[in-house]
Amino acid sequence: AQKVTQAQTEISVVEKEDVTLDCVYETRDTTYYLFWYKQPPSGELVFLIRRNSFDEQNEISGRYSWNFQKSTSSFNFTITASQVVDSAVYFCALTRMDSSYKLIFGSGTRLLVRP
Amino acid sequence: GAVVSQHPSRVICKSGTSVKIECRSLDFQATTMFWYRQFPKKSLMLMATSNEGSKATYEQGVEKDKFLINHASLTLSTLTVTSAHPEDSSFYICSARDLSGSSEQFFGPGTRLTVL
Repeated sequence: AQKVTQAQTEISVVEKEDVTLDCVYETRDTTYYLFWYKQPPSGELVFLIRRNSFDEQNEISGRYSWNFQKSTSSFNFTITASQVVDSAVYFCALTRMDSSYKLIFGSGTRLLVRP
Repeated sequence: GAVVSQHPSRVICKSGTSVKIECRSLDFQATTMFWYRQFPKKSLMLMATSNEGSKATYEQGVEKDKFLINHASLTLSTLTVTSAHPEDSSFYICSARDLSGSSEQFFGPGTRLTVL
C-alpha cells in the first residue's frame, strides 16, 4: 500500500525565517513519482515540483529547495527567507509509474508566515 | 498551456436536488481525468478516475450512483452529485492528464458545493 505522511499539521514562522516541511512516504514500488503542491486560500492547487524515484539529486528553485532521500523515504521541502505570500497549505503526494498515475496525497501542512 | 477549468466555481443548492460540475481541459486533450473531494482543512481524497469513452473507476467507499461521472469527450468530464444532502457539501477538484501519458496532472480551480 502507498501512504504519504506529513506529520506537521501547522507551522507558524515569522517572515524571513527558513522553514522545512517534512514528507515521509511508503511504497513497495521501486519506481514512483513524488510531488509537492501549494494550495493558497483560493483553493487552487499549484504544482511546485515532481521528482522521479531514479533521481535523488536535490533541487533548488529560487527560495525553494527539496531534499529527496530514498534511504529514509523522505522528500522534504524547505522555503528560505519565507514571505507572507508563502502562507498556504502544502501537500506532498506520491504516484506509481503505471497507467493510472493516481495521486496519493499527504494530509497537508498549513504554513502561516507572519509579518 | 495546460489549463483546466471547472464550472461552476461555487454552487449552493437545496437538499434533494442534483448538481452537475464540469471539468474542461482548455488547451489539451485529456485521456484521463480525476475527481477529488476535499473537506475543510483536510487532504484531497480521490473519488474516481475517468477515462474518455469508458466507465469511470470509483475508489472504495465512493457511491457511483451518488456521484455520476461522464467523460464524453477528450476535453470534458462531468460530475453529477445526485440527490444532494448537506453531508455532500465539500470542495470538489478535478485534474486532467494529457494524451502524452505524462505523470503530471493539471488541476482545476475547484468547485465549492454547499447543500442546504
